[in-house]
Amino acid sequence: EPEVTQTPSHQVTQMGQEVILRCVPISNHLYFYWYRQILGQKVEFLVSFYNNEISEKSEIFDDQFSVERPDGSNFTLKIRSTKLEDSAMYFCASRYRGETNEKLFFGSGTQLSVL
Amino acid sequence: AQSVTQPDIHITVSEGASLELRCNYSYGATPYLFWYVQSPGQGLQLLLKYFSGDTLVQGIKGFEAEFKRSQSSFNLRKPSVHWSDAAEYFCAVGRVTGGGNKLTFGTGTQLKVEL
Repeated sequence: EPEVTQTPSHQVTQMGQEVILRCVPISNHLYFYWYRQILGQKVEFLVSFYNNEISEKSEIFDDQFSVERPDGSNFTLKIRSTKLEDSAMYFCASRYRGETNEKLFFGSGTQLSVL
Repeated sequence: AQSVTQPDIHITVSEGASLELRCNYSYGATPYLFWYVQSPGQGLQLLLKYFSGDTLVQGIKGFEAEFKRSQSSFNLRKPSVHWSDAAEYFCAVGRVTGGGNKLTFGTGTQLKVEL
């Protein structure tokens, strides 16, 4: 079965540093998402992306966050200046155009630790 | 605003015993409801979903869930639990927004299976 791939599985960074989380969505998918889960809390929606632009973002997704699809296969989440509270598991997801929520595929996540 | 409550943070059952994981939601219209499972090191895998129609839905791995509008619940059940079912289970409610598929998750229930 096709799968969404996220790298790295773990990322440790110093507060104030920039970090880029990488995702390779399923090849024919057109909608892309980032979610995150702070330890002990809910999985939260961050942003959705379609046709090379953000289609929706949450209030969490402030100016420190950005997303990009640089080369047609990767989908990245960049945090410009990390804060301690950015420590979380970040999930990438994708789906094919025309499918509904039942066809949303998630990656295994990147655990980000900000020290 | 939509929300999901999973009142049980941890549940322990014996292998072969029946299982019920609780989920209550708040949503302004007919909800799209989902159960996801996350095994260690794995992504979120869809177990089952409810969009409309029959309120008892069958999913993968022998799981089922029943949508009860009057109780705003979507509890997950399995008649006989296997040790491999040990994982974290997330209930989610979704909607389609423009090009997006924003999901709102509960905090999850960690299932432990005793042999």
